[in-house]
Amino acid sequence: AQSVTQLGSHVSVSEGALVLLRCNYSSSVPPYLFWYVQYPNQGLQLLLKYTSAATLVKGINGFEAEFKKSETSFHLTKPSAHMSDAAEYFCAVSERFSGGYNKLIFGAGTRLAVHP
Amino acid sequence: NAGVTQTPKFQVLKTGQSMTLQCAQDMNHNSMYWYRQDPGMGLRLIYYSASEGTTDKGEVPNGYNVSRLNKREFSLRLESAAPSQTSVYFCASDDRQGPAEAFFGQGTRLTVV
Repeated sequence: AQSVTQLGSHVSVSEGALVLLRCNYSSSVPPYLFWYVQYPNQGLQLLLKYTSAATLVKGINGFEAEFKKSETSFHLTKPSAHMSDAAEYFCAVSERFSGGYNKLIFGAGTRLAVHP
Repeated sequence: NAGVTQTPKFQVLKTGQSMTLQCAQDMNHNSMYWYRQDPGMGLRLIYYSASEGTTDKGEVPNGYNVSRLNKREFSLRLESAAPSQTSVYFCASDDRQGPAEAFFGQGTRLTVV
């Protein structure tokens, strides 16, 4: 079965500093990978997804992630943190079912705090 | 453009009471999902429906039932609520095929006392 591990349940950075949120996955087949963001009291919103095209994926709000097959990683980065980036971030892998449909397997999440 | 709409947003139940969480999507998606979110555990799949008329169990189905009423609506029922079901519940939908983006509702915060 596929699984996702997010290293660090809480990450704190200064405004303007680099954001690095780590995600490792296990999958026996080439995966689809996703990063979602959840702002307080809201649902999840897609930041970006990897679908086996380019290994460096750019998303919304200046975030990007790099797929590294040899490391089974899909870490999320942003060069310069903004106060509005404070949220919880979830990495997910898409598990394929018979019948052609998908189920998202989520990591436990990383809460990002940005301080002035 | 409403996307995925869940009702209610908040609910407090007593142990043993029943309730139904409603979900509707207006994106003509085939697949719909119910997740629960608990601190430190991410989102876990309760039930899903790959298409109208079909439902299947996810990782944590015990204590829940679902109904795919039509293509738009997918409800989650707690027959006899327990404190362990205190959680935030999310409904989601996607296009089913390939690396489809899942769209999430705003969530229902349920407390069972």
